[in-house]
Amino acid sequence: EAGVVQSPRYKIIEKKQPVAFWCNPISGHNTLYWYRQNLGQGPELLIRYENEEAVDDSQLPKDRFSAERLKGVDSTLKIQPAELGDSAVYLCASKGHDQTEAFFGQGTRLTVV
Amino acid sequence: AQTVTQSQPEMSVQEAETVTLSCTYDTSENNYYLFWYKQPPSRQMILVIRQEAYKQQNATENRFSVNFQKAAKSFSLKISDSQLGDTAMYFCAFLSASGGSYIPTFGRGTSLIVHP
Repeated sequence: EAGVVQSPRYKIIEKKQPVAFWCNPISGHNTLYWYRQNLGQGPELLIRYENEEAVDDSQLPKDRFSAERLKGVDSTLKIQPAELGDSAVYLCASKGHDQTEAFFGQGTRLTVV
Repeated sequence: AQTVTQSQPEMSVQEAETVTLSCTYDTSENNYYLFWYKQPPSRQMILVIRQEAYKQQNATENRFSVNFQKAAKSFSLKISDSQLGDTAMYFCAFLSASGGSYIPTFGRGTSLIVHP
């Protein structure tokens, strides 16, 4: 079974530029999470989807961040414009309906210069 | 809101020895799950062990075991016979089993280095 796939693995952009991250969750997983992990810290939730519906997005900075999961499968997280403080690892995770464990992708390391 | 505290930023252990990583949490709920995740340099978070709060018996997975003290809200991870491949960041996580908020909350992590 394929795991959670994220791309790209690394991204370096200049501040004020846009950037997008893509996530393909495990097949059949209804719940999808986007987390941000700053250096030396634990992951912090940005947004949670149940199928195509964003049900927890209170931690998403909506002035510059947006996310979508149009068909309830793949998801895209976008930042526009990026700021220096957005440098972090962006993790995607998914979970099946009857499971407690979240499965994580390898993350995208974003560096804003 | 639940909080998870890992008070040890870094730990080190000699290969083949035993090490214990600490985790405490704060919640008013009675039903929940606790996890330890491992994050090697590849960045992928991998589940190490899981504990259901309603179970009194401590979970065990091969060399990994937990000491779950519900009243004290403590959930420590013991790694026996440490191996070089255990070197990684370890995160404690809390997941509520009620209210429909299926959001794992993570601690800040403990960096474990296993020395040969």
